[in-house]
Amino acid sequence: GENVEQHPSTLSVQEGDSAVIKCTYSDSASNYFPWYKQELGKGPQLIIDIRSNVGEKKDQRIAVTLNKTAKHFSLHITETQPEDSAVYFCAASIGSGGYQKVTFGTGTKLQVIP
Amino acid sequence: DAGVTQSPTHLIKTRGQQVTLRCSPKSGHDTVSWYQQALGQGPQFIFQYYEEEERQRGNFPDRFSGHQFPNYSSELNVNALLLGDSALYLCASSLAGPPRGEQYFGPGTRLTVT
Repeated sequence: GENVEQHPSTLSVQEGDSAVIKCTYSDSASNYFPWYKQELGKGPQLIIDIRSNVGEKKDQRIAVTLNKTAKHFSLHITETQPEDSAVYFCAASIGSGGYQKVTFGTGTKLQVIP
Repeated sequence: DAGVTQSPTHLIKTRGQQVTLRCSPKSGHDTVSWYQQALGQGPQFIFQYYEEEERQRGNFPDRFSGHQFPNYSSELNVNALLLGDSALYLCASSLAGPPRGEQYFGPGTRLTVT
């Protein structure tokens, strides 16, 4: 089955700096790659996603890149703020519609130091 | 616009008992997925329901079963509870039609097995 590896497991940055989280996946059939932010005591919140036919996507301070050949995808957060502190998960999805199977990475705990 | 809701919020059960968790999807969504999240880990896919049928399943034993109702809400049932079943159980809803793949999570049900 699909395997998603995520690095680093913890990341501390100064407010205003950039943060980068990297993931790799194993199954070339994966076609959708969402990123989630999870705050303490809450469910994961979808923050950005990318599909296999796109190489890069940006939404304000957040961007995601996908290298299908290398089976790598990354999350970039610029101008980090204290409210960005949370656990971030990458995921890889196979299938579509009502026939979708999603595999999550192990998470990155991001701490933004004011 | 109501998001994904889950009940109950917390639950304490004894080993060997059975439990039922409930989920109402985001308005307009027709597909429900269930995940188990152990402390400090990423969510693990249990199964996905679409058109009242289980369409995809992760590596979970038959003790884990589910149901989807005509109004798209869903239940997760776990029989013969083990101590290792203690976790946060997350429900996510999505739309089988385009844009495909975007899953939105509820706040979860914290299950403790003693």
